[in-house]
Amino acid sequence: DSGVTQTPKHLITATGQRVTLRCSPRSGDLSVYWYQQSLDQGLQFLIHYYNGEERAKGNILERFSAQQFPDLHSELNLSSLELGDSALYFCASSVGSIGYNEQFFGPGTRLTVL
Amino acid sequence: AQSVAQPEDQVNVAEGNPLTVKCTYSVSGNPYLFWYVQYPNRGLQFLLKYITGDNLVKGSYGFEAEFNKSQTSFHLKKPSALVSDSALYFCAVREHRGGATNKLIFGTGTLLAVQP
Repeated sequence: DSGVTQTPKHLITATGQRVTLRCSPRSGDLSVYWYQQSLDQGLQFLIHYYNGEERAKGNILERFSAQQFPDLHSELNLSSLELGDSALYFCASSVGSIGYNEQFFGPGTRLTVL
Repeated sequence: AQSVAQPEDQVNVAEGNPLTVKCTYSVSGNPYLFWYVQYPNRGLQFLLKYITGDNLVKGSYGFEAEFNKSQTSFHLKKPSALVSDSALYFCAVREHRGGATNKLIFGTGTLLAVQP
């Protein structure tokens, strides 16, 4: 158990809908990262927050947004969902934002868009 | 731009034999290198990392990795494979440039299958 929690574990929804994925980092970690894992794209970095501030953006679509709250938990919002958004979404956390800090991953949320 | 390559989709090895999972990287500055393992329906677990110093890095579960700057490689190794090592292994690189850091880039993953 990494100490990173994600809810829900599974999410099934329809095209055009909006969903919110939630992540709680390990105790003491200030950085939260979001990743998307799919068979065709592999593991793709989406976005990084550090202590409430956005620090880096990766291949995140405009339909997706994220935020990190004062209690350090984070939410990833996915809107106008398409079939291709079906994937595993991982959250990871690290103690700081320094590049050599290893990231600890949550169990993921499996999103299925029908 | 930074990138990482794992040239083998799958590696097969017999239990008790040594294993190697290959990784090469490309960065313009100094790299931070990581190995993660993913078991079915689980998140990624950190195995080991290279920051600086000794080229041979030891990690969890008996795994180690050797950093080779001239060959831009960071191969994962274990002297004696276990069936329980069967999983998906990811190499990742993060570039360090004068205090600023870039995002963590993952390879495509290598499926390790250890036969009893």
